[in-house]
Order: sequence, then C-alpha cells, then structure tokens
Amino acid sequence: AQRVTQPEKLLSVFKGAPVELKCNYSYSGSPELFWYVQYSRQRLQLLLRHISRESIKGFTADLNKGETSFHLKKPFAQEEDSAMYYCALSATSYGKLTFGQGTILTVHP
Amino acid sequence: DAGVIQSPRHEVTEMGQEVTLRCKPISGHNSLFWYRQTMMRGLELLIYFNNNVPIDDSGMPEDRFSAKMPNASFSTLKIQPSEPRDSAVYFCATSGGSGNTIYFGEGSWLTVV
Repeated sequence: AQRVTQPEKLLSVFKGAPVELKCNYSYSGSPELFWYVQYSRQRLQLLLRHISRESIKGFTADLNKGETSFHLKKPFAQEEDSAMYYCALSATSYGKLTFGQGTILTVHP
Repeated sequence: DAGVIQSPRHEVTEMGQEVTLRCKPISGHNSLFWYRQTMMRGLELLIYFNNNVPIDDSGMPEDRFSAKMPNASFSTLKIQPSEPRDSAVYFCATSGGSGNTIYFGEGSWLTVV
C-alpha cells in the first residue's frame, strides 16, 4: 500500500525567507509525485509534478528515491504563498491520488 | 472548458435529512473521484469511477453513503440519513487517466446541524 507523510501540520516563515515543506512517501514501485496547493476556501490546484521537472511560482521539488522524499522548496517566500499544501502520490493505472495530511504555510510580512 | 463543476457550493441541512451532491466532470475525462476534506482527517478518497464504473469504494465510510455515475457527464454522492459528523467539504475531481493531472472542483461545503 502507498502512504504519504507530511510531518509538519503548520509552518510559519517570514517574507523573503527560504521555505521547505517536507514530504515522504512509501511505495514499492515507481510512484508519480505531485504537490497541490489550496488557497483559502478554494479548490485544490496542481502546483507541480515530478515528471515535468518545472518550477511554478518559484517552487521546486526533487524526487529523492533513496530517501523516498519529495520536499517542496522556495528560496524566498512571499505572503501570497500562504496556503495549504498537499503532497500526493499516484500509483495506479487510474490516476488515483493518495494525499498526505497537508501543511498549512503562513508567510508573515 | 469550465472545469469540474460541483453543486451545491454550500448546503446546511438538519440531521436525518438526505443530502445529494452533484458533479459534472471535465469533458473527455474518464476517471472521477470523490474526496472528503476535514480538519481532523485531511483529504480522504471516498470512491472513484473509471468509464462510469465504480472501481474502489473502500473509502466510503458507511452504508449511509452512496455514489453513482449514470453517464460520463454526471455523478452524485448521496448521504442518507445525514449526521453532524458528515459536515465537511466534499470535492469531486476528474482526470483523463493514468499519467494525467487530476483536476478538482470547487467543493461542496456541507454542514449538518
């Protein structure tokens, strides 16, 4: 069975500081990893996926198979980055996502 | 495309009443998922369909919950009878299948009093 763990429920940083949201997964095969973001009372939106290797809104994430991690990073946090962030894993032919518990990021001015 | 469309956006109902949540997937998407979001449990997958067929309903909490997908453009999630602990945001999400991005609707905010 697959599992996604986000160890931090809450994360607070100041504007301009680096931020890292941790995500670890367990899955025996080759997973596909995603980060979704949910701004206040809105729908979940795809932020990035590991296979596309792109940077969205300054965020990057590298899949580390040795450590089974997919941490989300941004060198300089902005106030508009304040949101709930979910790490997710897809390991089925139907594209079903297994989500972590989510991390609420607050960026203070 | 208007994206995944859910209705109602907000519903307040009394305990014991039947609640029906609706979802219209993105045209051409053949996988549909129902998720429930609460502060305590985060995002939980309730059930998902592929080509209108239920594939896995192991996340449905109780027999009070049922979901249908009568055709490729419509799905419902029904709770009967509803209870206060069912209060949550219910998201419908769809995708074109494996390797494709899952797109979420705006959610149905359910409050059972």
